[in-house]
Amino acid sequence: DAMVIQNPRYQVTQFGKPVTLSCSQTLNHNVMYWYQQKSSQAPKLLFHYYDKDFNNEADTPDNFQSRRPNTSFCFLDIRSPGLGDAAMYLCATSKRGGSDTQYFGPGTRLTVL
Amino acid sequence: DQQVKQNSPSLSVQEGRISILNCDYTNSMFDYFLWYKKYPAEGPTFLISISSIKDKNEDGRFTVFLNKSAKHLSLHIVPSQPGDSAVYFCAAFRSNFGNEKLTFGTGTRLTIIP
Repeated sequence: DAMVIQNPRYQVTQFGKPVTLSCSQTLNHNVMYWYQQKSSQAPKLLFHYYDKDFNNEADTPDNFQSRRPNTSFCFLDIRSPGLGDAAMYLCATSKRGGSDTQYFGPGTRLTVL
Repeated sequence: DQQVKQNSPSLSVQEGRISILNCDYTNSMFDYFLWYKKYPAEGPTFLISISSIKDKNEDGRFTVFLNKSAKHLSLHIVPSQPGDSAVYFCAAFRSNFGNEKLTFGTGTRLTIIP
């Protein structure tokens, strides 16, 4: 089945220790998104790629970076995680972007000690 | 600034009855609205959508109603089934803005009581 896969599902890191979250897709979609969702809050878009074009949300902290080495993979790098970065991180894809349906992965829950 | 609001964090409905989930928005430029459903340990999955040129869209047991003047939309599920127990997110999109941003609400946890 075509899908969006996120690894790991649970990630524990230490305060200030860089961490990388991974997302892969078998849908061959052009657009990939990273969302942050904190407890009882709405998912918040951090950034997205349209093909290789990177689009950062204005309020995404510089601590968050992303890489998309090819169509299938996208990574979220948190350079110096703080306690406030503990959240669920959701990856999503869509074929053409815009109002096209977004397909979400199961998320990675990040804990910062 | 929460532009999409789901004021009911939770809702319990008897199996077979109608579930009504509500969503309000503040930005009149939103012109496309979606509902996503999320089970525990899974990502949100698309359920149903509606364009601002319509006031109703129906798909099987699911109907979404849009009241633009009130900036309000609702999702009706009838009849409700135990498998409908999940968190439901309302989301809004502004199609002419040139960006990809879906704005989500905080979700409503629906519990269907057998």
